[in-house]
Amino acid sequence: DAKTTQPNSMESNEEEPVHLPCNHSTISGTDYIHWYRQLPSQGPEYVIHGLTSNVNNRMASLAIAEDRKSSTLILHRATLRDAAVYYCILRLLQGAQKLVFGQGTRLTINP
Amino acid sequence: EPEVTQTPSHQVTQMGQEVILRCVPISNHLYFYWYRQILGQKVEFLVSFYNNEISEKSEIFDDQFSVERPDGSNFTLKIRSTKLEDSAMYFCASRLSGAGTGELFFGEGSRLTVL
Repeated sequence: DAKTTQPNSMESNEEEPVHLPCNHSTISGTDYIHWYRQLPSQGPEYVIHGLTSNVNNRMASLAIAEDRKSSTLILHRATLRDAAVYYCILRLLQGAQKLVFGQGTRLTINP
Repeated sequence: EPEVTQTPSHQVTQMGQEVILRCVPISNHLYFYWYRQILGQKVEFLVSFYNNEISEKSEIFDDQFSVERPDGSNFTLKIRSTKLEDSAMYFCASRLSGAGTGELFFGEGSRLTVL
């Protein structure tokens, strides 16, 4: 499985935008970039995914570099409820299409 | 909104005992997964299940583990003879389609404590 690199932790203030980076320099052409998050004491939760183009949904935006070797998850206006561990995961189209979780980025939101 | 439900939420057992963790995936989903998370560590893949058989398993998923979908709605993980190191949060997940972009829906988890 191709590897991703994320900062261990980040901190931001409530109602400000948050940009969570992810490096995936060994990404292959068939890898989708997925983001999940895990709120305290809960199971992981899907956030967003993309292949080449930037993506927006009700939770977040995903900006993908032109060479696809990095991506950024953008929370436009963070709330206290967004405090979680955020995982950037490359997902193959073949096989069981399991998710392989790394350590993720622990996001702290200050009131 | 449909959700994956898991029972029990917490189970305490003695080392060497058998444990069955139960999951009810979202009803029209086709792909099922078990993951575990030891306290303070990352979420680890255990096994995936499709069309009534295991499609992939990790090194963690040894002969002590088994999965079953006995009645078309439940998806169970059995640990035959628990060890202290099996203490963890176990998450069940399900996915709808074969398309590579389908999101996984996770349950709230079952915490297993082995004494």
